[in-house]
Amino acid sequence: DIVMTQSPDSLAVSLGERATINCKSSQSVFSSPNNKNYLAWYQQKPGQPPRLLIYWASTRESGVPDRFSGSGSGTDFTLTINSLQAEDVALYYCQSYYSSTFTFGPGTKVDIK
Amino acid sequence: QVQLVESGGGLVKPGGSLRLSCAASGFKFSDYYMSWIRQAPGKGLEWVSYISSSGTATLYADSVRGRFTISRDNARNSLYMQMNNLRAEDTAVYYCVRTLWDAFDIWGQGTMVTVSS
Repeated sequence: DIVMTQSPDSLAVSLGERATINCKSSQSVFSSPNNKNYLAWYQQKPGQPPRLLIYWASTRESGVPDRFSGSGSGTDFTLTINSLQAEDVALYYCQSYYSSTFTFGPGTKVDIK
Repeated sequence: QVQLVESGGGLVKPGGSLRLSCAASGFKFSDYYMSWIRQAPGKGLEWVSYISSSGTATLYADSVRGRFTISRDNARNSLYMQMNNLRAEDTAVYYCVRTLWDAFDIWGQGTMVTVSS
């Protein structure tokens, strides 16, 4: 089974600064037939369901602010939040689709320094 | 607007059964795959099951295969999860989620399932 890891477990960033979250999969999630990485990112605030931010590793979901960006390919991926805002305090999860199974990372908590 | 509303959660004893429902609105339900995803208290997210748009194909996580059954009624814009032989480790918030090929774009607010004697 594929295993997703995230680093760091938590981070605190000053308002207006950049936050970077890493996600690593134990297997490549790149699909050569359609040239896509099956890797998504979600934001979850307390008491709320997760919200899709990024899919196909780097495609921003409609309505997501452009300070959120995703990058990476194969097994290593990054979510970057540029110019962190107070409303970005949340848990962030990566998620892969591989061999008919969906797997989430353990999550990274982002706070304000 | 696009909306998913779960119902059917509650307290059940180990070994018991529960049926979750999800009412969809604001989009053409029959065009989309759908999933159930759960989150144990204070824990991360776990995909449980998905069903194809027509209902003919289903997938399950190893942790629930053989105990849970996902189904849908496209005429009623509804998704279901029949949960049998429930265990303490099934305690979680269960989310109904619209499913793209490889990601989840619309989530319900969730329904809490507690398995305890």
